[in-house]
Amino acid sequence: NAGVMQNPRHLVRRRGQEARLRCSPMKGHSHVYWYRQLPEEGLKFMVYLQKENIIDESGMPKERFSAEFPKEGPSILRIQQVVRGDSAAYFCASSPRLVGTGELFFGEGSRLTVL
Amino acid sequence: AQSVTQPDIHITVSEGASLELRCNYSYGATPYLFWYVQSPGQGLQLLLKYFSGDTLVQGIKGFEAEFKRSQSSFNLRKPSVHWSDAAEYFCAVGAQETSGSRLTFGEGTQLTVNP
Repeated sequence: NAGVMQNPRHLVRRRGQEARLRCSPMKGHSHVYWYRQLPEEGLKFMVYLQKENIIDESGMPKERFSAEFPKEGPSILRIQQVVRGDSAAYFCASSPRLVGTGELFFGEGSRLTVL
Repeated sequence: AQSVTQPDIHITVSEGASLELRCNYSYGATPYLFWYVQSPGQGLQLLLKYFSGDTLVQGIKGFEAEFKRSQSSFNLRKPSVHWSDAAEYFCAVGAQETSGSRLTFGEGTQLTVNP
């Protein structure tokens, strides 16, 4: 019974490159959330997706960031033209349904370092 | 919009001493409340959660928390701390809205345990 799987666990990019972070939700979960944790800070909501739909992207930076959750395959968080300020841990979480207990199940995170 | 405040950035206790981590929330209706723990370089593990009913909830690893509506608080307690409890602790509030099970996190409290 695998939990939320994220990869890569660690990613190093130079400024201007692209970063792609992947998240496979728990089996049976169709709701995916992405959070960002900057150094010494708490988790900040970025985006909430269901299969093939972005439901809430109010926490996403306006430029360079995008997310998708295709019908088949993992959810992808894409950061174009990375800058040093993008260095952070990116956590994915999933839940089984829209209305429920409100509990999210978190992956172990992807740690992005921008040189 | 909901918000969470964890007043203590860093707490140090001796092993075997009691622990209380503070959490205050802001939300218009009855919230869903959570405590998560994060060890260095790891993801978030759920300690306990409150949805309704008994205001004193028991969690894993000997932790408990009490929901006090009049004080808008959900403090985490443990009667006797173990060295392995050293970690960062996050309080979170959730709400069942049309935008799914979105959680808002506090900034975290770093717990150090002295031998």
